[in-house]
Amino acid sequence: QKEVEQDPGPLSVPEGAIVSLNCTYSNSAFQYFMWYRQYSRKGPELLMYTYSSGNKEDGRFTAQVDKSSKYISLFIRDSQPSDSATYLCAMSGWGGGSEKLVFGKGTKLTVNP
Amino acid sequence: KAGVTQTPRYLIKTRGQQVTLSCSPISGHRSVSWYQQTPGQGLQFLFEYFSETQRNKGNFPGRFSGRQFSNSRSEMNVSTLELGDSALYLCASSANIGAAGAGFGPGTRLTVL
Repeated sequence: QKEVEQDPGPLSVPEGAIVSLNCTYSNSAFQYFMWYRQYSRKGPELLMYTYSSGNKEDGRFTAQVDKSSKYISLFIRDSQPSDSATYLCAMSGWGGGSEKLVFGKGTKLTVNP
Repeated sequence: KAGVTQTPRYLIKTRGQQVTLSCSPISGHRSVSWYQQTPGQGLQFLFEYFSETQRNKGNFPGRFSGRQFSNSRSEMNVSTLELGDSALYLCASSANIGAAGAGFGPGTRLTVL
């Protein structure tokens, strides 16, 4: 079983739709949870960063972490064509060498005008 | 504040050669991590340096090595290149140990022929 599982999609939605992206994980030591956005041939860009369980909102983006279910989500409201990219979840722990980021494979999202 | 910079952006090498990639972290950041991104494996952790010391290492052969200088700039070296080393090599920097919340550079795209 992979440490982090993410549906690769692709996911295609109309402009204005609510997008839901998610990842599951198996390592209970993970404490830090991130979502990155990566445009084609670019480096990943940090979108959301949360510690432990709970919700975090930033503009049109909401990140949710449910440690009891080992499940994290990213919601994008009022999606725009400029949101078309690959979205990567990432997580890490603390101590014992677990500080490295472990990534999901990424979900490719296309928002159609 | 300037972001993470990586040089060169593109490299073409042949099998058996060696290559050195460079990363300049965000000013004030002391941790530099390196990741390899391929279509098949996604983003995989190579190693992390903090204050010139390797703190963590991923599951890559010894042909992959790195170092960090006193100004926090980092280099990674790949010797005896193989076709499978063709990938996007990404550098991330953060203020503290670990890459939680780290910002990534644009990457160096290495092609091995």
